[in-house]
Amino acid sequence: GAGVSQSPSNKVTEKGKDVELRCDPISGHTALYWYRQSLGQGLEFLIYFQGNSAPDKSGLPSDRFSAERTGGSVSTLTIQRTQQEDSAVYLCASSNYREVHEQYFGPGTRLTVT
Amino acid sequence: AQSVAQPEDQVNVAEGNPLTVKCTYSVSGNPYLFWYVQYPNRGLQFLLKYITGDNLVKGSYGFEAEFNKSQTSFHLKKPSALVSDSALYFCAVRRSSNDYKLSFGAGTTVTVRA
Repeated sequence: GAGVSQSPSNKVTEKGKDVELRCDPISGHTALYWYRQSLGQGLEFLIYFQGNSAPDKSGLPSDRFSAERTGGSVSTLTIQRTQQEDSAVYLCASSNYREVHEQYFGPGTRLTVT
Repeated sequence: AQSVAQPEDQVNVAEGNPLTVKCTYSVSGNPYLFWYVQYPNRGLQFLLKYITGDNLVKGSYGFEAEFNKSQTSFHLKKPSALVSDSALYFCAVRRSSNDYKLSFGAGTTVTVRA
């Protein structure tokens, strides 16, 4: 079956521009997560959505980062006024409410800020 | 404080030899432990998990891991490595049943030579 998909796969942007990264979770998965994988920082949690509950935004590194999830499915991670340190691979994952232990990851979006 | 440590950046083994990738954790209580693998230009793939029960858990592709509470370790093992096992391996922990965020180790690059 279809897994988690993310778009674009690669994004190059100029410093100061805004970017939007998209995640399509596995159909029926109620939980959705965003992580960031960068050199020197490893994998770090950014934000978590579960059903209609308020998202856990505790991992967002600054107020330039925001995310939304529309209709309990697709999610968009927005980075405003991008900085070079935002360059990383942004990973999305989803899980089934009943099997919340296992998170299924998408291929990621590689963001390069020049 | 780091929750998960992978003491080896790289592990090199010959094909057919046993493979061990080390992981220690530093959370209290009963952690939920995971191993993920990342192949080049691919997303993270779930390998196995320890939630409760038997300390030896078996996962995908012939991998297994042993939970050792006294040593706070969760080492990944494979009795006979394949060249195709060459990848980046991540150990991860959820600190409790109420904590859905995964904390990842820094990753270990495994190279299996023919």
